[in-house]
This record gives sequence, C-alpha cells and structure tokens, in this order.
Amino acid sequence: AQSVTQLGSHVSVSEGALVLLRCNYSSSVPPYLFWYVQYPNQGLQLLLKYTTGATLVKGINGFEAEFKKSETSFHLTKPSAHMSDAAEYFCAVTAGYSTLTFGKGTMLLVSP
Amino acid sequence: DAMVIQNPRYQVTQFGKPVTLSCSQTLNHNVMYWYQQKSSQAPKLLFHYYDKDFNNEADTPDNFQSRRPNTSFCFLDIRSPGLGDAAMYLCATSRDRVDGEQFFGPGTRLTVL
Repeated sequence: AQSVTQLGSHVSVSEGALVLLRCNYSSSVPPYLFWYVQYPNQGLQLLLKYTTGATLVKGINGFEAEFKKSETSFHLTKPSAHMSDAAEYFCAVTAGYSTLTFGKGTMLLVSP
Repeated sequence: DAMVIQNPRYQVTQFGKPVTLSCSQTLNHNVMYWYQQKSSQAPKLLFHYYDKDFNNEADTPDNFQSRRPNTSFCFLDIRSPGLGDAAMYLCATSRDRVDGEQFFGPGTRLTVL
C-alpha cells in the first residue's frame, strides 16, 4: 500500500516569490510520483511526473520537483510565482499495478 | 486534440431521481476511471475499468454503478441520488495501470435538490 502526505492545506506567497509545496510519500516498492494542478471547476492537469531516471523533473508552467528517496519526498517548486498559479495542487503516488493515491491537496494563494 | 470529454458539465437532479453521467475519450486508452470529488477534498476513486474488466473500490456505495460499452465511452449511473452525492465527478483515462499517468476530463458538477 502507498500513501501521500501534503504538508499545509494552504500556502500563501506573493507574486514573484518562490513557491514550495511539500509532498512526502510512503511506498513499499519504487514509486511513480505525480503533481497535478486543479483550477476551480476544472479537472486535474498533470504538471509533472517522476518514474525512473533523473531525480529532478521539470514540468509545465515553470514548475519542477525533485525525487529524494532518502527523504521520501517529492516537493514541488517554482522560482517565481505568478497570479495564474493560484490553484489547488495534488501530489499523487502509484506503485506497481496499484491505482493513484492522492494527497489531500494544497491550495496555493498568490497575492499581488 | 486527443482528450477526455465529459457531458454534461453541470447536472441538476432531484433527490432519488436516477442520473447518468457520461465520459468519452479519443486517446484509445485501456483504462477508464471514475472519481468523486467533494469540495476542498482529494478525488476519491469509485471504480475503474481495465478494458472490459470492472474494478470496484471496496467502499463505493451500491448506489453507484458503471458501464463501459466500448473503449471510448464510460458511464456513471447513480440510481437514487442523495444530498450527500452532490459533488464533482471526474473521469480519467490511462494507457495502462502500470504507467500510472492519468488524463482527466473537465468534470461534471452534480447538484441534488
């Protein structure tokens, strides 16, 4: 079985500031890790994913995440926040033939 | 563009009146999923189809049923909606279960009066 913990249900940043959304996972087998973004009344859109290989993964809209096995983490970062980044972000994990397990989500608030 | 389509985007039904939500995909993916998402919560998997093989989550109420008549289409039937079933329903697809990457539709917002 696998699980995901997202620290902080809400994160507030100023426009232009660093964005850091935290995700820790638990898995008994090597995981595949994902970050999804959800805008109001929309479905989920994949930002980036880690499967194997390079541990620093770059995604869309300037986001990136680093897989750290020793810390069981997959934190999402963006150097400079934009107003359009305000949305809910979900970290998710799958392992083997299991289905996706989502974290509870982090709402990113961006102020001018 | 290949995509996942959900109809309708907004559905209003009455307490106890059956309702069907539909999902179609042009990705030709083997797996289709239905999720329920309530306000400020993570999506909750209801069931999924791997090709024609139906997989029900243990805690999905019997009130929820699904049909997949062909690769492209999948339906969610709610036999007797209650007020607690008001939610966003998300359809997703993936090439296979191992890959894990899922492609989501825009969702159907269900209101129960």
